[in-house]
Amino acid sequence: AQSVTQPDIHITVSEGASLELRCNYSYGATPYLFWYVQSPGQGLQLLLKYFSGDTLVQGIKGFEAEFKRSQSSFNLRKPSVHWSDAAEYFCAVDTNDYKLSFGAGTTVTVRA
Amino acid sequence: SQTIHQWPATLVQPVGSPLSLECTVEGTSNPNLYWYRQAAGRGLQLLFYSVGIGQISSEVPQNLSASRPQDRQFILSSKKLLLSDSGFYLCAYLPRGAGKETQYFGPGTRLLVL
Repeated sequence: AQSVTQPDIHITVSEGASLELRCNYSYGATPYLFWYVQSPGQGLQLLLKYFSGDTLVQGIKGFEAEFKRSQSSFNLRKPSVHWSDAAEYFCAVDTNDYKLSFGAGTTVTVRA
Repeated sequence: SQTIHQWPATLVQPVGSPLSLECTVEGTSNPNLYWYRQAAGRGLQLLFYSVGIGQISSEVPQNLSASRPQDRQFILSSKKLLLSDSGFYLCAYLPRGAGKETQYFGPGTRLLVL
């Protein structure tokens, strides 16, 4: 069975600093990969997704992610965070059966 | 445009009481529909999914059930709530017919069982 690991439970970053959230997956082939963001008390919003092609994908709100097959990783990055980026971030994989497996999430706190 | 609704937004129920959460989707036909639960401090767990009216697959054994009486309506139910049923319930849909698409999530229902 596939699994998704987000090693960092909580990250604190200063406003204007760069952010990187880690995601590793366990699956025999290349799955479809997603990053979602959840603001407090809200549903999930899709940030970006990777299906195939260019391994560096651009998303909304200035986020990007890079798929690295050799490391089974799909890390999320943002060059300069804003206070509004404080939220919980989830990595998810779909192994071609239209069901998502989620990581446990990483909570991002932004300090002034 | 496609939208997804969930209600109620918040619910406080006593242990042993019944439950009915509703999810409806607009702007798409014959979507896959999903119920997820997010317990406090934990990730999302897929509870049920449906590929069509009356077709329900359960992912984990539990106290809950799901039904899809109409194409764009998905209901999560329980006859008797347990304390462990507390959590944030999210409905999602996957549009059909466009290849490998994306699941879109509703605003969620926060359930507190006391």
